[in-house]
Amino acid sequence: NAGVMQNPRHLVRRRGQEARLRCSPMKGHSHVYWYRQLPEEGLKFMVYLQKENIIDESGMPKERFSAEFPKEGPSILRIQQVVRGDSAAYFCASSLNRGLNYGYTFGSGTRLTVV
Amino acid sequence: KQEVTQIPAALSVPEGENLVLNCSFTDSAIYNLQWFRQDPGKGLTSLLLIQSSQREQTSGRLNASLDKSSGRSTLYIAASQPGDSATYLCAIEGGGSNYKLTFGKGTLLTVNP
Repeated sequence: NAGVMQNPRHLVRRRGQEARLRCSPMKGHSHVYWYRQLPEEGLKFMVYLQKENIIDESGMPKERFSAEFPKEGPSILRIQQVVRGDSAAYFCASSLNRGLNYGYTFGSGTRLTVV
Repeated sequence: KQEVTQIPAALSVPEGENLVLNCSFTDSAIYNLQWFRQDPGKGLTSLLLIQSSQREQTSGRLNASLDKSSGRSTLYIAASQPGDSATYLCAIEGGGSNYKLTFGKGTLLTVNP
């Protein structure tokens, strides 16, 4: 079992470009969560998805950010027209069912740098 | 709104010392509390999960306790080793949500040989 796979590990984008972050959950996991870790800050919840459904996006910025988890393929976190303040580490986690009691496992993260 | 505080922010100890990391939270209506370890540039590794009905969990040299009434948890590390050097994160699952984690900012632990 390869664990939760995130790619790319590092991503550099110029201001105004789009960033696409990918997360492949552990085998058999159908629940995916995205978190953001800003410099000197704790991890903050962004969004919770199940296959083809967004369950809770209360932590997502209202503009420029979107997430999906299609029936086939990885979950994608998309950031349009990136700004310097989007520079952060973005972590994905997956679980077999909802919550910590079901093997909630984190990936190694994608470190986004906006120049 | 749940707030999680971890003290100290950084801790440096000599190898072999026993140490305690602290986590406090403001809302005692929690489902679970999880301690994680984060190595530089890496992801999060699960250490100990304490369910709300439990008081403590142990794994090897690690022991975590939970006191919901006072809003506190401690992570005890016995006989520390240089390989224990990392950032330790406390996360709360609660606030009406059994999937959303609220994290502290972590304690950066350095164990000197």
